[in-house]
Amino acid sequence: DTGVSQNPRHKITKRGQNVTFRCDPISEHNRLYWYRQTLGQGPEFLTYFQNEAQLEKSRLLSDRFSAERPKGSFSTLEIQRTEQGDSAMYLCASSTTSGSYEQFFGPGTRLTVL
Amino acid sequence: LAKTTQPISMDSYEGQEVNITCSHNNIATNDYITWYQQFPSQGPRFIIQGYKTKVTNEVASLFIPADRKSSTLSLPRVSLSDTAVYYCLVGDPLFGSNDYKLSFGAGTTVTVRA
Repeated sequence: DTGVSQNPRHKITKRGQNVTFRCDPISEHNRLYWYRQTLGQGPEFLTYFQNEAQLEKSRLLSDRFSAERPKGSFSTLEIQRTEQGDSAMYLCASSTTSGSYEQFFGPGTRLTVL
Repeated sequence: LAKTTQPISMDSYEGQEVNITCSHNNIATNDYITWYQQFPSQGPRFIIQGYKTKVTNEVASLFIPADRKSSTLSLPRVSLSDTAVYYCLVGDPLFGSNDYKLSFGAGTTVTVRA
């Protein structure tokens, strides 16, 4: 399968714990995006990488959130000191073409904070 | 301020044509109109994109009038498997690049019944 993959698919954690999600984009895609989706809403943009450079972060990405993309390949999204409001689906997408609206999404990681 | 407005939900029956109209009164001159589809527990999937007049692919058609203040996604002869949320998006540039973040609204939930 050559699509975008995300791990884990589900994560249940207790409030205050740290969690880390991984995204593996389509191999030739140098652009990578993270989105968050809550129930009944469309996905919301969190951050964007072009190769290893993080070029934009949404104001939704508080200082408890950090994303990395070492070597411009896979990416990780870490949430420190999780809160119940962090419960959501975290989606990763990748693309290859500059100026394109077509992004390829992974299946997402569903986070539940108890 | 929402960039697009579309109906919250639509019901249809198998074999019928479904038309979803999206309003984007403040669309910029160089913005494209893009539609995504999302099934439950999956990431969104790109369906179609257009700038003006009509675009057709194997999945759908997109009609854009001359003033470009609205667009209509047409799904021909829907089946049960077309039950999904459909999102209409216009351009939301990422700072310092030629790329775009996808700004989803709540979308239109299309339910196809037998």
